Amino acid sequence: AQKITQTQPGMFVQEKEAVTLDCTYDTSDPSYGLFWYKQPSSGEMIFLIYQGSYDQQNATEGRYSLNFQKARKSANLVISASQLGDSAMYFCAMRDRGPGYQLTFGKGTKLSVIP
Amino acid sequence: GAVVSQHPSWVICKSGTSVKIECRSLDFQATTMFWYRQFPKQSLMLMATSNEGSKATYEQGVEKDKFLINHASLTLSTLTVTSAHPEDSSFYICSAPYRGGFTDTQYFGPGTRLTVL
Repeated sequence: AQKITQTQPGMFVQEKEAVTLDCTYDTSDPSYGLFWYKQPSSGEMIFLIYQGSYDQQNATEGRYSLNFQKARKSANLVISASQLGDSAMYFCAMRDRGPGYQLTFGKGTKLSVIP
Repeated sequence: GAVVSQHPSWVICKSGTSVKIECRSLDFQATTMFWYRQFPKQSLMLMATSNEGSKATYEQGVEKDKFLINHASLTLSTLTVTSAHPEDSSFYICSAPYRGGFTDTQYFGPGTRLTVL
């Protein structure tokens, strides 16, 4: 069974600083995908970034980058130049080749950006 | 990115009544959609996989007769909470994979907040 672990229930970061949100995963499938989503207080789930298990380079999307360390089974999200609007819950998720290709989510990290 | 809508965004109902929640993919077709449930300060829990033209696949512990799912078209899935009770109060959110294939990015609807009195 696959598993996603986010060990940081809450994080604080100063505005304009960078922050790393941790995510480790466990799967026996060599082919899998890793996702990060942002959930503001409104509840919507906003897709941020994707990393495939066979991707050679770390994924980047604007201020978001994914520090993918396959041997350590970690997929940490790095947010550069934090903004007040980045305050939200952040969820790491994984999909492997199980039936239906559904996502398994971690418990999330609540990020608070301090002015 | 792709757009998924949900209706209603919030609903309050009396205990014993049924509530229908709609999930639509607005600019793409989705043969599969997923329904999640989220309690306050918790993560998303997959309830069921909605399959267009066939029966939904429910996760272990989810009552099929209580949470009826219908995927009648390639752009619409509905979740009906039957005989709702206060313990069914939760945030329900759907998602749909976009572009097909294993590396689909799942896009989520804005969610429906259900309160059962």
